[in-house]
Amino acid sequence: QKEVEQNSGPLSVPEGAIASLNCTYSDRGSQSFFWYRQYSGKSPELIMSIYSNGDKEDGRFTAQLNKASQYVSLLIRDSQPSDSATYLCAVRPYSSASKIIFGSGTRLSIRP
Amino acid sequence: DAGVIQSPRHEVTEMGQEVTLRCKPISGHNSLFWYRQTMMRGLELLIYFNNNVPIDDSGMPEDRFSAKMPNASFSTLKIQPSEPRDSAVYFCASSFTVATNEKLFFGSGTQLSVL
Repeated sequence: QKEVEQNSGPLSVPEGAIASLNCTYSDRGSQSFFWYRQYSGKSPELIMSIYSNGDKEDGRFTAQLNKASQYVSLLIRDSQPSDSATYLCAVRPYSSASKIIFGSGTRLSIRP
Repeated sequence: DAGVIQSPRHEVTEMGQEVTLRCKPISGHNSLFWYRQTMMRGLELLIYFNNNVPIDDSGMPEDRFSAKMPNASFSTLKIQPSEPRDSAVYFCASSFTVATNEKLFFGSGTQLSVL
């Protein structure tokens, strides 16, 4: 079982709709969770971090964490063509002080 | 600050040759990570350093790979000898580790092609 799993996509969403991206992780003791966005040919950049169960909102982005289910999600409201990118879920496992493990990413395409 | 600086941006080499990738982390950051990204395997952690000390190198594929961090402002990842399956984008990232609040800053990456 991979430490961090994501559906590779592509996920196609019409402009203006809500895009929902999901991630599961294997280390039950994990405490820190991140969403990175990576445009084609570019490096990943952090867009959200979440540490507690529940929702965390930042503009059009909402991260959701459910530690009991070992599940993290990212919602993007009012999707824009500029949101088309690969979204990487990342987890800091309990077993390591600084190690950050990434999922393989979900490719999101926003269609006009 | 210029961010994390990696060199070279692109490297094309022949199988069997030695390859050295370089990274300058953001000044003041105390953690440095080397990742490799391919379509098949995604973004894999190879090794990370904390305060210039290698903490976990379990992701290093085999003995052909080695990494050093001689000081807080410089790190290298060396592949010797290189093989075609090493072709990938290699990213260096740095962070300032404080409790659980860690934001990774990535360099632009080195696109490695081994022929």
